[in-house]
Amino acid sequence: GDSVTQMEGPVTLSEEAFLTINCTYTATGYPSLFWYVQYPGEGLQLLLKATKADDKGSNKGFEATYRKETTSFHLEKGSVQVSDSAVYFCALLTPGGGKSTFGDGTTLTVKP
Amino acid sequence: AAGVIQSPRHLIKEKRETATLKCYPIPRHDTVYWYQQGPGQDPQFLISFYEKMQSDKGSIPDRFSAQQFSDYHSELNMSSLELGDSALYFCASSLRGAGADTQYFGPGTRLTVL
Repeated sequence: GDSVTQMEGPVTLSEEAFLTINCTYTATGYPSLFWYVQYPGEGLQLLLKATKADDKGSNKGFEATYRKETTSFHLEKGSVQVSDSAVYFCALLTPGGGKSTFGDGTTLTVKP
Repeated sequence: AAGVIQSPRHLIKEKRETATLKCYPIPRHDTVYWYQQGPGQDPQFLISFYEKMQSDKGSIPDRFSAQQFSDYHSELNMSSLELGDSALYFCASSLRGAGADTQYFGPGTRLTVL
């Protein structure tokens, strides 16, 4: 079945550091790929998405590129802020509107 | 823009009680999904409905049931609650009939079983 593997956390960075959270997937067909962010005690917020190979999703300084050849969707940000501290989930959506499959989540802590 | 609405936002129940969670999808969305997120876990798919018919089933316990009504809202019914049912329950909606490529998540219902 479909699966998503995320870089293990937690990740601790200093403010203004460069962030990479790795994500690889296994799926049949061509899924859509997503990054969600979850702040403590809150719901899932869609951070960015990409629906086909070579698409780049971007939002709030975060970027991720859909790499079909490496089945990856790594999240990057050039300069993190304390307010970026949260749990980040990589997810795929089965083509045709099926279920979402999530990675285990990566906890990011940014220190001033 | 209208988002997915879930109610209640918080719910506290005793063991062996029942609970009903409600989800109101984004207007005109035809598909509803339910997910369960345990403490420190990733969301796990429970069940989905498309045009009021069950379309996919995941790791939903037999004690749980769900349905989608004619106005497209959905309810998740949970009986004989156990301590392990304490979790955040998300509903999501999409417009599958238009080839949906995104699910929109609600804020979740936090269920605590004592």
